[in-house]
Amino acid sequence: GQNIDQPTEMTATEGAIVQINCTYQTSGFNGLFWYQQHAGEAPTFLSYNVLDGLEEKGRFSSFLSRSKGYSYLLLKELQMKDSASYLCAVRGFGGGSYIPTFGRGTSLIVHP
Amino acid sequence: SAVISQKPSRDICQRGTSLTIQCQVDSQVTMMFWYRQQPGQSLTLIATANQGSEATYESGFVIDKFPISRPNLTFSTLTVSNMSPEDSSIYLCSVPSGRSSDTQYFGPGTRLTVL
Repeated sequence: GQNIDQPTEMTATEGAIVQINCTYQTSGFNGLFWYQQHAGEAPTFLSYNVLDGLEEKGRFSSFLSRSKGYSYLLLKELQMKDSASYLCAVRGFGGGSYIPTFGRGTSLIVHP
Repeated sequence: SAVISQKPSRDICQRGTSLTIQCQVDSQVTMMFWYRQQPGQSLTLIATANQGSEATYESGFVIDKFPISRPNLTFSTLTVSNMSPEDSSIYLCSVPSGRSSDTQYFGPGTRLTVL
């Protein structure tokens, strides 16, 4: 089975940096995803990590450590529009696990 | 990227009735997925809709409660049968992106409230 843990809620100030952590326990590992979901909207893909290290994409970066079962999403220069839920999802191996398992999401509130 | 539409976008239904949710994709895809997102909960996979064969259901979900149709490669329906208030949720369909990372595109979701 798979177990994914991330904080329920975080708050941050506009212009600041915030790091959202995700820890996981899986039977095998075949990629970790971060999605952004605004209230009432569909999740949209942010990043994909399959190897250890940092992947940078504009203001967003995602880090993975497979040995620690750990990832984080780093958001820089926060904007009000970044207020959303951030979902960590992990894909394992075998048994039809092509489909990732999603965490409960971290609700990020950005205030002025 | 794939464009996915869902109908209805929201509905309020009475206990004991059934609702069929439609999902339309603007390109042909082999697999379509149906998820449920209950308030404050994660996205939970209900089933994978395969064209030309029966849907594959995840643990805890059964065909009698959530029958699925997949008549062609661009369309699928999910029916929520004999609804109870516990079925109140957002239902989303999703398709693989087709890229090497195999990310997913999600539809806008159907917000269902059962009274």
